[in-house]
Amino acid sequence: ETGVTQTPRHLVMGMTNKKSLKCEQHLGHNAMYWYKQSAKKPLELMFVYSLEERVENNSVPSRFSPECPNSSHLFLHLHTLQPEDSALYLCASSQDSGVGQPQHFGDGTRLSIL
Amino acid sequence: RKEVEQDPGPFNVPEGATVAFNCTYSNSASQSFFWYRQDCRKEPKLLMSVYSSGNEDGRFTAQLNRASQYISLLIRDSKLSDSATYLCVVISHGNQFYFGTGTSLTVIP
Repeated sequence: ETGVTQTPRHLVMGMTNKKSLKCEQHLGHNAMYWYKQSAKKPLELMFVYSLEERVENNSVPSRFSPECPNSSHLFLHLHTLQPEDSALYLCASSQDSGVGQPQHFGDGTRLSIL
Repeated sequence: RKEVEQDPGPFNVPEGATVAFNCTYSNSASQSFFWYRQDCRKEPKLLMSVYSSGNEDGRFTAQLNRASQYISLLIRDSKLSDSATYLCVVISHGNQFYFGTGTSLTVIP
């Protein structure tokens, strides 16, 4: 059983919809991450939060907006997405954002944009 | 050049076989290395860290070759349950995580 839970597991939305992905970690970690995994591509890091502060934003379009209200919760707000945004979105956490800390992943949200 | 490169496979091996995967990385300053396992339509799960001295966990052995800039994963006595995609992860300066595209393994009865 994973210590990182994501909801919803599946999401289908139109390009004009607004939705949010939720991630919660029960591991007492201080760093949380959002990744995008598309078919046949490596995981792409989107955002990194450490102690609720965003420390990394890998040139992600503004239609993706993260929010980290506390060290246990992470949201990804979605607005006006494009068909190429259809992918598996994975949340991960680690003890802190220091070098060498392994990350623990949630089950992911499979997102389909119509 | 990609930060991390893996042979995507697929590797199809019989039960009981020994199989090895390599993963090359481009940044010589890379500091930490991991192998993750990802089952179909599931999240990646940490399999093992990779240390300079090499490390072993049961049937799995991971090694790092800094001179040639690659890491390897050896699986002995393959089980059907080992069928999955194996992702190598390289962490570079600034704690940048780079994932390989994964190597697909199918163990055949």
